[in-house]
Amino acid sequence: DAGVIQSPRHEVTEMGQEVTLRCKPISGHNSLFWYRQTMMRGLELLIYFNNNVPIDDSGMPEDRFSAKMPNASFSTLKIQPSEPRDSAVYFCASQAATNEKLFFGSGTQLSVL
Amino acid sequence: GESVGLHLPTLSVQEGDNSIINCAYSNSASDYFIWYKQESGKGPQFIIDIRSNMDKRQGQRVTVLLNKTVKHLSLQIAATQPGDSAVYFCAEKRGSARQLTFGSGTQLTVLP
Repeated sequence: DAGVIQSPRHEVTEMGQEVTLRCKPISGHNSLFWYRQTMMRGLELLIYFNNNVPIDDSGMPEDRFSAKMPNASFSTLKIQPSEPRDSAVYFCASQAATNEKLFFGSGTQLSVL
Repeated sequence: GESVGLHLPTLSVQEGDNSIINCAYSNSASDYFIWYKQESGKGPQFIIDIRSNMDKRQGQRVTVLLNKTVKHLSLQIAATQPGDSAVYFCAEKRGSARQLTFGSGTQLTVLP
């Protein structure tokens, strides 16, 4: 099993540009989570999906952030327009229906200049 | 003004010694707890978990202890090795929710 796959690993962009982060969960897992990690705030949950449906998006910072899960094997997190304060590592994690363990991807290091 | 980041607790241990990493949680309704290890540049990796109906669980070189009375969780690592150097996070799950809420982490450094 390849685990949770995120792309890109690193993204450097300029303020105002659109950024799209991608995630492929572990096959068979039915829940998918987007977390953001910063030195200031640690690991914060942004949004999670269950069976491709967004369940809790209360952690999404503002309307500039949006997430989709069009099918069980793919999710995107989009930031438009990006701002320097969005610079962070963004992690995707997936979870099986029968287990509470989250399996994390390697993350996307985002730098907004 | 000056930005202030999270002040990660740090723990330094000699190679071969035992390590104990502590975590306090606030919600008495939490029923599942889990420890993750995060090495530099990588995502958090599962170490061990425990449900609230238990007070101890052992894995390979690791033991998790849960004290519900004082809402305290600890991770014990036996015979600490250089490869154990990382940030360790505890996380909790509350009730029927699927998501985990993470603590701020502890930086473990293993000295040669």
